[in-house]
Amino acid sequence: EAGVVQSPRYKIIEKKQPVAFWCNPISGHNTLYWYLQNLGQGPELLIRYENEEAVDDSQLPKDRFSAERLKGVDSTLKIQPAELGDSAVYLCASSLSSTGLAGVGEQYFGPGTRLTVT
Amino acid sequence: DAKTTQPNSMESNEEEPVHLPCNHSTISGTDYIHWYRQLPSQGPEYVIHGLTSNVNNRMASLAIAEDRKSSTLILHRATLRDAAVYYCILRDLPSGTYKYIFGTGTRLKVLA
Repeated sequence: EAGVVQSPRYKIIEKKQPVAFWCNPISGHNTLYWYLQNLGQGPELLIRYENEEAVDDSQLPKDRFSAERLKGVDSTLKIQPAELGDSAVYLCASSLSSTGLAGVGEQYFGPGTRLTVT
Repeated sequence: DAKTTQPNSMESNEEEPVHLPCNHSTISGTDYIHWYRQLPSQGPEYVIHGLTSNVNNRMASLAIAEDRKSSTLILHRATLRDAAVYYCILRDLPSGTYKYIFGTGTRLKVLA
């Protein structure tokens, strides 16, 4: 079974440029997560989707970040414009659900996209 | 939000057992204890989780204190491949949904 797929794996852009990250979750997983991981820190949740609905985006900086999950499957995270402080690894994860007993189960993470803003 | 406290780093010799501690003194009755690990240049991967009883799987064992204020991840025979950052996480339960709150984890170094 294929795991969570993310692309690109690495991205280098100049500040003020836009950038987009793509994620394909595990088939059948209703819940999709985007995390931000700074160097030496644990991942921090940016947004969580249940199917196509963003049910928790409280940590997403909405002035420059946006996300969408088309038809409840693939998802795209966009930054426009990028700032130097956005340099980090962006992780996508998926799970069967995030509610009830099914939500207790594991999340499956992709390899991440390492963004460098110069 | 309930938080966890872990040592920043630990070392172990190859093929010896490793006990990775985690303190979570403010844990609530419905918080599950999860462990993930992150190998270099990879996303985190699930290791094990539990609520009250000790748990075993093919990767590790989880020992949970009777008062649930601490837990220990046990790797029975460390290998070089087990060198990673290990995260102890409580599943936050606001409004009936679950959210991970990662800390900084324990960096495990395995010596050959």
